[in-house]
Amino acid sequence: SAVISQKPSRDICQRGTSLTIQCQVDSQVTMMFWYRQQPGQSLTLIATANQGSEATYESGFVIDKFPISRPNLTFSTLTVSNMSPEDSSIYLCSVSVAAETQYFGPGTRLLVL
Amino acid sequence: EDQVTQSPEALRLQEGESSSLNCSYTVSGLRGLFWYRQDPGKGPEFLFTLYSAGEEKEKERLKATLTKKESFLHITAPKPEDSATYLCAVQGAGANSKLTFGKGITLSVRP
Repeated sequence: SAVISQKPSRDICQRGTSLTIQCQVDSQVTMMFWYRQQPGQSLTLIATANQGSEATYESGFVIDKFPISRPNLTFSTLTVSNMSPEDSSIYLCSVSVAAETQYFGPGTRLLVL
Repeated sequence: EDQVTQSPEALRLQEGESSSLNCSYTVSGLRGLFWYRQDPGKGPEFLFTLYSAGEEKEKERLKATLTKKESFLHITAPKPEDSATYLCAVQGAGANSKLTFGKGITLSVRP
């Protein structure tokens, strides 16, 4: 398994601003993932972040809105840009450690006013 | 496109009342089916991975089973601390296949 931390744990932001979420893992991992969890909805993959390459975005998510950095094998950031109330959600990072199993961080709870 | 449907949406049990949670799925070649537990305000906690039909895995009061179309999470003699949302996800066999999650089942166990 892996121990994953996220910062901040929660935030309240004004529309039009941006927030950067950090994800730190206690071991080196190749693949890190960013998800969004909206109330009453299933977890939705935003993008896959591999160290040393550009992030791969899922349909409906674009780099200008959700830029991602992956500077090393234990750290990644997700920025939510030009926020609107529709971006209010829980944002989760996860890592793949053994085979296909993914382990998740505690999440960042974002409220946009 | 991979799909996951979990039922029921919510389940209320009395302590000690055993039951099962259902996860129906469609996928192009199954690489793995995953069960997670999520407590309020926390991230999903990994429970089980199942790879092929007929496989079963157990952990304390939980047992996960798998067929070609669905998975069950059996909860035997649940306790209030088993109250949580249980998530099911599948990963197909295609290259770069992602996890597809269901909406989850919220379990409440009354003392």
